[in-house]
Amino acid sequence: DAGVIQSPRHEVTEMGQEVTLRCKPISGHDYLFWYRQTMMRGLELLIYFNNNVPIDDSGMPEDRFSAKMPNASFSTLKIQPSEPRDSAVYFCASSLRSGSSYEQYFGPGTRLTVT
Amino acid sequence: DAKTTQPPSMDCAEGRAANLPCNHSTISGNEYVYWYRQIHSQGPQYIIHGLKNNETNEMASLIITEDRKSSTLILPHATLRDTAVYYCIVRFSGGSNYKLTFGKGTLLTVNP
Repeated sequence: DAGVIQSPRHEVTEMGQEVTLRCKPISGHDYLFWYRQTMMRGLELLIYFNNNVPIDDSGMPEDRFSAKMPNASFSTLKIQPSEPRDSAVYFCASSLRSGSSYEQYFGPGTRLTVT
Repeated sequence: DAKTTQPPSMDCAEGRAANLPCNHSTISGNEYVYWYRQIHSQGPQYIIHGLKNNETNEMASLIITEDRKSSTLILPHATLRDTAVYYCIVRFSGGSNYKLTFGKGTLLTVNP
């Protein structure tokens, strides 16, 4: 399996522009997570889905952020409009719940820079 | 989920065992201990998890004290590639809450 795939790997945009990050989870996994990592705040969970349905979006910082999962093999995280403080590495992870295991498989991340 | 405390950094010589401690004194009976690591510029990677018994896999061993208030992750023969931030996470195994909360972790530096 190719693992979790994220695109783009790097994104540089200007303040006010719309940014869309993409994620393809591991085939067969039923959970998908979006995280954001910064030096100041560490690794934060933004939102997660189960069977394509958003379960908990309490970590989404504000209305400028939205996430969708139209099918089991694709998810997007959109920021509109973007601001410099959104600069971070955004990770997508997927998981298949099995017993006590909460093994999440992370993608390589998208490094977002908003100027 | 119970709070965890880890040292911010540790050093280890290449080829020696790396023992990473984690304190989770408020852990409850149905909470598991999970370990993840994050190598620089990569996404976190699952290492191991356990409830009360010691666990071992191809990557590491997890030793949980009898009172479950602390645990130690052991990398038996550390290599330079094991340099990473190691996260100890405690979470409830049941219910519908499927979140993992990452703290600051321990930066392990393996020296040649």
